Amino acid sequence: ETGVTQTPRHLVMGMTNKKSLKCEQHLGHNAMYWYKQSAKKPLELMFVYSLEERVENNSVPSRFSPECPNSSHLFLHLHTLQPEDSALYLCASSQDTAMAQHFGDGTRLSIL
Amino acid sequence: QKEVEQDPGPLSVPEGAIVSLNCTYSNSAFQYFMWYRQYSRKGPELLMYTYSSGNKEDGRFTAQVDKSSKYISLFIRDSQPSDSATYLCAMSSSGGGNQFYFGTGTSLTVIP
Repeated sequence: ETGVTQTPRHLVMGMTNKKSLKCEQHLGHNAMYWYKQSAKKPLELMFVYSLEERVENNSVPSRFSPECPNSSHLFLHLHTLQPEDSALYLCASSQDTAMAQHFGDGTRLSIL
Repeated sequence: QKEVEQDPGPLSVPEGAIVSLNCTYSNSAFQYFMWYRQYSRKGPELLMYTYSSGNKEDGRFTAQVDKSSKYISLFIRDSQPSDSATYLCAMSSSGGGNQFYFGTGTSLTVIP
């Protein structure tokens, strides 16, 4: 398997549920990212990890909690989400934070 | 004022046409410029990555940067139906992931 893989591809959850999104990269990259993509809006950078250390947290609500156990895996833990959190969540990786990013196909999240 | 402005379209052209996609920006510190292509239900795919001003060509694609006008373009020659997608521009000042700014994307349809 190559590239950046995200699971699940689709997720429907209630506002009181807890779920996790998973991202795995097979490119040997050292930096990983979470983005939120909503209709007619630019990609919003949520979190950046470089060499497993969080280097950026763009004022994301605490109901989103990232975890990077190693340079190949990234998780986004979700709890008590709001309807406005429904969006496509994209994971990306790059050789380092100075290089262009390669994206996964995203998880389409719907909050009921 | 938004950091990056991109006309969302939609843009519809006949097969074989030359397509011009554009973004303007406000931050004169931007030096790294990227174009991504995003098919429906897929993540963004890096097409072109350029530094500073000038042109870069890759097959049917040409990326152009005019820093004096704060204007970047992507030209697609001999457009094909397979080019139908949303095209996103992105830019940063240091090339760093935590400072990437994305446009909203332009939706392109190439009609056979």
